[in-house]
Amino acid sequence: DTEVTQTPKHLVMGMTNKKSLKCEQHMGHRAMYWYKQKAKKPPELMFVYSYEKLSINESVPSRFSPECPNSSLLNLHLHALQPEDSALYLCASSQEWTRYEQYFGPGTRLTVT
Amino acid sequence: RKEVEQDPGPFNVPEGATVAFNCTYSNSASQSFFWYRQDCRKEPKLLMSVYSSGNEDGRFTAQLNRASQYISLLIRDSKLSDSATYLCVVNTITQGGSEKLVFGKGTKLAVNP
Repeated sequence: DTEVTQTPKHLVMGMTNKKSLKCEQHMGHRAMYWYKQKAKKPPELMFVYSYEKLSINESVPSRFSPECPNSSLLNLHLHALQPEDSALYLCASSQEWTRYEQYFGPGTRLTVT
Repeated sequence: RKEVEQDPGPFNVPEGATVAFNCTYSNSASQSFFWYRQDCRKEPKLLMSVYSSGNEDGRFTAQLNRASQYISLLIRDSKLSDSATYLCVVNTITQGGSEKLVFGKGTKLAVNP
């Protein structure tokens, strides 16, 4: 089973709100990722967690705060977002950090008003 | 030179046609290569990994040419359901020595009845 789940599917939030995106996998993968994808663009890497430790932060603004509570869960905490942050946020996991295929969740479509 | 380059298309082909996509990458140290497909407003789904010896999965054949730093995807007997955007994905060594997967911008395929 190569399933990664994400909640919520859709999220609309104001610029002063605080919300969280959640991601879960039960494949025993040790690496998890957050990507941001705008329309007609490829996914852009935001964060990489390897063995529950943050390994890559692609210079993401601090209004995005990742958290990895355990090896199966990944959260992305959102605060004071801007309208240009509206996008599809994808979570992915892989057996190990890179060199292995990544499996994506269905994404959370975020709209910031 | 961009890290991963693909012809954006769109490729419009009739059902039953054979279509080929190419992708070039700039980092000669790259070790892992993948093709993903992405349907409109959905997440990327792994189509196949690309190995040095080439690999085939049904109607799909992937090839890797390390000397010329390109990978290819051949789709035979195209089906309407093959209509999607095909993403070339390559692992890249960053300046800091870590690795990440880099996505090409994707090639859009439309298979017409």
